Amino acid sequence: GAVVSQHPSRVICKSGTSVKIECRSLDFQATTMFWYRQFPKQSLMLMATSNEGSKATYEQGVEKDKFLINHASLTLSTLTVTSAHPEDSSFYICSARVQDGVNTIYFGEGSWLTVV
Amino acid sequence: DAKTTQPNSMESNEEEPVHLPCNHSTISGTDYIHWYRQLPSQGPEYVIHGLTSNVNNRMASLAIAEDRKSSTLILHRATLRDAAVYYCILRDFQGAQKLVFGQGTRLTINP
Repeated sequence: GAVVSQHPSRVICKSGTSVKIECRSLDFQATTMFWYRQFPKQSLMLMATSNEGSKATYEQGVEKDKFLINHASLTLSTLTVTSAHPEDSSFYICSARVQDGVNTIYFGEGSWLTVV
Repeated sequence: DAKTTQPNSMESNEEEPVHLPCNHSTISGTDYIHWYRQLPSQGPEYVIHGLTSNVNNRMASLAIAEDRKSSTLILHRATLRDAAVYYCILRDFQGAQKLVFGQGTRLTINP
């Protein structure tokens, strides 16, 4: 399958600071990527759809000014958590859609964010 | 988004087949049935998908009911590495084509 990579895999930041998570499609171009967050023992919650060259589409209840998404190239989308607080601590996962005829979606390894 | 219903948990023994059920009675004509699985602290892994016909790949088989209101993921010989949360998801082939996750089935494999 296609490879999606996230960086960093783990990050700890201080409350009030911003942190950026990168999502890269390594062996294909992705016009569309998706960002999720997952709390322990819960399912994945879709945050937003990231479209190359245009604004992201956010799911209801997700603050677009807090979770900034940039998809500036066909292989890279970034999620910036601004003014992070302890309640933003979570597992953030991205995915990318492959143009393989059925638009299969592949996921990255996830990034653990801990805000202290 | 059309919803799916899965058992919260299932248990099986190593080297035995596992049948993971999924109900999706409100499936629409443009919905594909996708299965992903997630191991602890990892991103979900694509398993299989289908529309109407049964599907086989190296990981699993997908059996789809004739009325498409239910499906079953079949692991032919479970190993300990198959222990994961399995998600059955309906994905509309039109529009945003996003994956919306339910609670999934936590599969435990006994040695």
